[in-house]
Amino acid sequence: KQEVTQIPAALSVPEGENLVLNCSFTDSAIYNLQWFRQDPGKGLTSLLLIQSSQREQTSGRLNASLDKSSGRSTLYIAASQPGDSATYLCAADGISGSARQLTFGSGTQLTVLP
Amino acid sequence: KAGVTQTPRYLIKTRGQQVTLSCSPISGHRSVSWYQQTPGQGLQFLFEYFSETQRNKGNFPGRFSGRQFSNSRSEMNVSTLELGDSALYLCASSLDPGTGQPQHFGDGTRLSIL
Repeated sequence: KQEVTQIPAALSVPEGENLVLNCSFTDSAIYNLQWFRQDPGKGLTSLLLIQSSQREQTSGRLNASLDKSSGRSTLYIAASQPGDSATYLCAADGISGSARQLTFGSGTQLTVLP
Repeated sequence: KAGVTQTPRYLIKTRGQQVTLSCSPISGHRSVSWYQQTPGQGLQFLFEYFSETQRNKGNFPGRFSGRQFSNSRSEMNVSTLELGDSALYLCASSLDPGTGQPQHFGDGTRLSIL
């Protein structure tokens, strides 16, 4: 059964800092790894999707990397802004039990201080 | 392009009742997945429908069921409600997750059981 862990659970940084969020997964047989952000009271917004054959994906100030062999992914946020404050979730797309599904980590709650 | 729409946004029920939640996917998306989000268990996969057929199912009891209509809209039903069913229920749509397409989430239905 796939298990996804995110460290740290919470992070507070001053505006302008570069930061890294970590995600680890136990089963490397994944189709892809996805990063989402969730604002309070809202659903999830897809940020980046890295296919299993890729090493990284970039979108604006965000860069996500994937190392399947070690079961790790990182989300790098450059020049953080207060608007980046949210909970960031990673999800591994693979077979867990007998179903193909996204298995989510518990998230990193990010606060960017002005 | 309209996003994923979930109705209602909020529901209050009592133990033993049943409830039906609705999800309208992004136009053209044929896959609809349902997730339960609670503070204790995080995000957990319920089931996925594709072309009116349940294609994947998570580890939830039979009280949780769903269906998908020919226009890809989906409903989720929970019977004999329990206090532990209080959660945010999220729906996500995709062209086809099987091809590595990202999932797009609605804002959810917050269900409270009294």
